[in-house]
Amino acid sequence: AAGVIQSPRHLIKEKRETATLKCYPIPRHDTVYWYQQGPGQDPQFLISFYEKMQSDKGSIPDRFSAQQFSDYHSELNMSSLELGDSALYFCASSLVRQGIQNEQFFGPGTRLTVL
Amino acid sequence: DQQVKQNSPSLSVQEGRISILNCDYTNSMFDYFLWYKKYPAEGPTFLISISSIKDKNEDGRFTVFLNKSAKHLSLHIVPSQPGDSAVYFCAASYNQGGKLIFGQGTELSVKP
Repeated sequence: AAGVIQSPRHLIKEKRETATLKCYPIPRHDTVYWYQQGPGQDPQFLISFYEKMQSDKGSIPDRFSAQQFSDYHSELNMSSLELGDSALYFCASSLVRQGIQNEQFFGPGTRLTVL
Repeated sequence: DQQVKQNSPSLSVQEGRISILNCDYTNSMFDYFLWYKKYPAEGPTFLISISSIKDKNEDGRFTVFLNKSAKHLSLHIVPSQPGDSAVYFCAASYNQGGKLIFGQGTELSVKP
């Protein structure tokens, strides 16, 4: 079965640079979520999109922005990178249907290292 | 403020025995709970979920129990296998399609 695809898998950037992370959800899934997992921490919710519209926003810095495109893939744009942005970034997708709770399926993650 | 808590950072179990992973939550508005398994350098893999209207859900070797009055859930793995060794995250959400709030994770080690 098709899974969530994330690219790149690894990314190394310098401070103050920008980075773009991409996510391709499972086909027919209508909701995409972004999470950040720092070293030794649990995943923290950043932002989500339902049918290409932002549906919820968590602890996402103003330096970060995201969008979901017409083909349902999503991109997380990160500017003015800081050392503390080094983390694993996960994308998850889900099919949100009325009256049914559905699990989120996670991609393999992008490991971002800021030097 | 940690709304979902896994107070045991690690658990070691003998192969063939039962593994019990625990999770507590503070927000009574949570209505959906999930367990994920995670290997290093991989994304979390969904294991099993439970709605707040149920108190038990079973899938093969995995059973999740929910005690709403105690705001507590647990994951039972029977029998435990060495391949079950991983970090297990408890997660909760309080609206359909909503974000997941994770616990800190419990590292399970199943010894042959």
